[in-house]
Amino acid sequence: EVQLVESGGGLVQPGRSLRLSCATSGFTFDDYAMHWVRQAPGKGLEWVSGDSWNRRHIGYADSVKGRFTMSRDNAKNSLYLQMNSLRGEDTALYYCALVYGDTNAFDIWGQGTMVTVSS
Amino acid sequence: EIVLTQSPGTLSLSPGERATLSCRASQSVSSSFLAWYQQKPGQAPRLLIYGASYRATGIPDRFSGSGSGTDFSLTISRLEPEDFAVYYCQQYGSSSITFGQGTRLEIK
Repeated sequence: EVQLVESGGGLVQPGRSLRLSCATSGFTFDDYAMHWVRQAPGKGLEWVSGDSWNRRHIGYADSVKGRFTMSRDNAKNSLYLQMNSLRGEDTALYYCALVYGDTNAFDIWGQGTMVTVSS
Repeated sequence: EIVLTQSPGTLSLSPGERATLSCRASQSVSSSFLAWYQQKPGQAPRLLIYGASYRATGIPDRFSGSGSGTDFSLTISRLEPEDFAVYYCQQYGSSSITFGQGTRLEIK
């Protein structure tokens, strides 16, 4: 069974950093594109970062470009999101999502990890 | 960046009725890269439709998607109680992926 489990969220002060992790299992991690999507409390979905369709580069939303970095550790089957210079507007539930089937869409999602940026 | 605008913001219907949700793009979207998701309170989103009109694995056939270019729609032919949720469209054909703001489908 394919599983995605996010961790690393918490309360952090503005300007500080946090690293989120997404532990995966049930599939060959290196073979598939992955993404981060966030959802502010009571709001809609916002794509944050993810692999291009051909896996050749990583894209970022304008709202996080230059502050967030997505990376992988294939040996650990894990995806990461390094978040620097955090702002109040980064407060959200952060999901990792997997492009698994032929869909090219986000077939499988984790349950999310909450990040709260506040002094 | 492609902006997706969903309408209506809220749709109030009764079980058994037909629901039609709209998603309009600020520029043309390849049909191969338009998806719909359902999200219930406290849950992660679930993929319903990809490629504008293809149902994802396990999705009942009362859900259907259509459209091309800048206008897309999701139709639920006969609402079941478990269908009341928030629905999002998404385009994933450009380097910057975007979601619509969502349509809340509520019980009338």
